[in-house]
Amino acid sequence: ELKVEQNPLFLSMQEGKNYTIYCNYSTTSDRLYWYRQDPGKSLESLFVLLSNGAVKQEGRLMASLDTKARLSTLHITAAVHDLSATYFCAAREGGADGLTFGKGTHLIIQP
Amino acid sequence: NAGVTQTPKFQVLKTGQSMTLQCAQDMNHEYMSWYRQDPGMGLRLIHYSVGAGITDQGEVPNGYNVSRSTTEDFPLRLLSAAPSQTSVYFCASRETGSGQPQHFGDGTRLSIL
Repeated sequence: ELKVEQNPLFLSMQEGKNYTIYCNYSTTSDRLYWYRQDPGKSLESLFVLLSNGAVKQEGRLMASLDTKARLSTLHITAAVHDLSATYFCAAREGGADGLTFGKGTHLIIQP
Repeated sequence: NAGVTQTPKFQVLKTGQSMTLQCAQDMNHEYMSWYRQDPGMGLRLIHYSVGAGITDQGEVPNGYNVSRSTTEDFPLRLLSAAPSQTSVYFCASRETGSGQPQHFGDGTRLSIL
């Protein structure tokens, strides 16, 4: 059974700082997803990572995947208040559909 | 292009009542899924479908039924509502093909008294 763990679950940081959210998964997964959710809203797709060593960047966010370590990271560079949200990683077990989500990282960026 | 549309947005039920949460997508996506989101639990997969006429169970299927008679629609039925089913329900769809992200609806907030 695929399990996905994120840490930290809660993070308060100041604008301008860098930080990394970690996502570990327990069994082989053929793809890794990152989503953002604002309070009371739906989920917005950020990144899809398909292969070992994959790195994707959008603005101040960069995601990477290490399939051998079963680890994905979401790195935030020079954080700004608008990035405050809950970030979820999710993995898909090979051959199945539907995603297994982590519990989410609630990120607050203070001005 | 409306994307994934869920109705209703809010619903209050009494224990034992039944209801159907509607989900429709206009993107001709083959894959559709239902999740529930509870505080501190992330999202958990209830049921999913890889095409019309094909459905399968996810992590937490008990108490829910689904059917997929058309590509566009994937309703979720609560057979006999229980307070433990109080949650926010999200429907999602995605294109066929490697690495396609799931597109989520706005959710249905369901309270069962």
